[in-house]
Amino acid sequence: GENVEQHPSTLSVQEGDSAVIKCTYSDSASNYFPWYKQELGKRPQLIIDIRSNVGEKKDQRIAVTLNKTAKHFSLHITETQPEDSAVYFCAASRSGGSNYKLTFGKGTLLTVNP
Amino acid sequence: DGGITQSPKYLFRKEGQNVTLSCEQNLNHDAMYWYRQDPGQGLRLIYYSQIVNDFQKGDIAEGYSVSREKKESFPLTVTSAQKNPTAFYLCASSNWAGAYNEQFFGPGTRLTVL
Repeated sequence: GENVEQHPSTLSVQEGDSAVIKCTYSDSASNYFPWYKQELGKRPQLIIDIRSNVGEKKDQRIAVTLNKTAKHFSLHITETQPEDSAVYFCAASRSGGSNYKLTFGKGTLLTVNP
Repeated sequence: DGGITQSPKYLFRKEGQNVTLSCEQNLNHDAMYWYRQDPGQGLRLIYYSQIVNDFQKGDIAEGYSVSREKKESFPLTVTSAQKNPTAFYLCASSNWAGAYNEQFFGPGTRLTVL
């Protein structure tokens, strides 16, 4: 089955700096890569996703890049703000077939220091 | 955040007892999922259901059971066979069970075995 590795497990940055979280996946057939954000005491929420036919996707201060050859994808947050502090999860899945499921990484705790 | 609810928020159980966690959604979603969240372990899939009266085991199904008699409900039973049940349990739903579909999470139930 799919295996998703996520690094780093914790990341501390100063407000205004950039943050990068990296994930690798094992199943070359995976073609959908979402990122979820979980603030303390809250439920995970989707913040951005990318499909395998796209190399990069951007939404305001966040962007995701995908390298299918190397089987890795990354989340980039620019101009970080204290409200960006949360746990971020990457995930991977593939479309098609009768048994669809997301495989999540173990999460990255991002702390943005004012 | 509305649309998918879980109850209770906190649950305490004695060893050897079965306990059922509730998950309800009014989003008219076909697919529903149960995840277990432990510190540093990410989100691990317990069971998922793509359609009423059908469900599949996830990565860590041992000691758990589910039912899907109604589209809006997907209860999870933690049985006495689950060796380490203390954890945070998240239910999720998506429009249909396929790639590219955002999963919406409930607020979670924290189960503690005494």
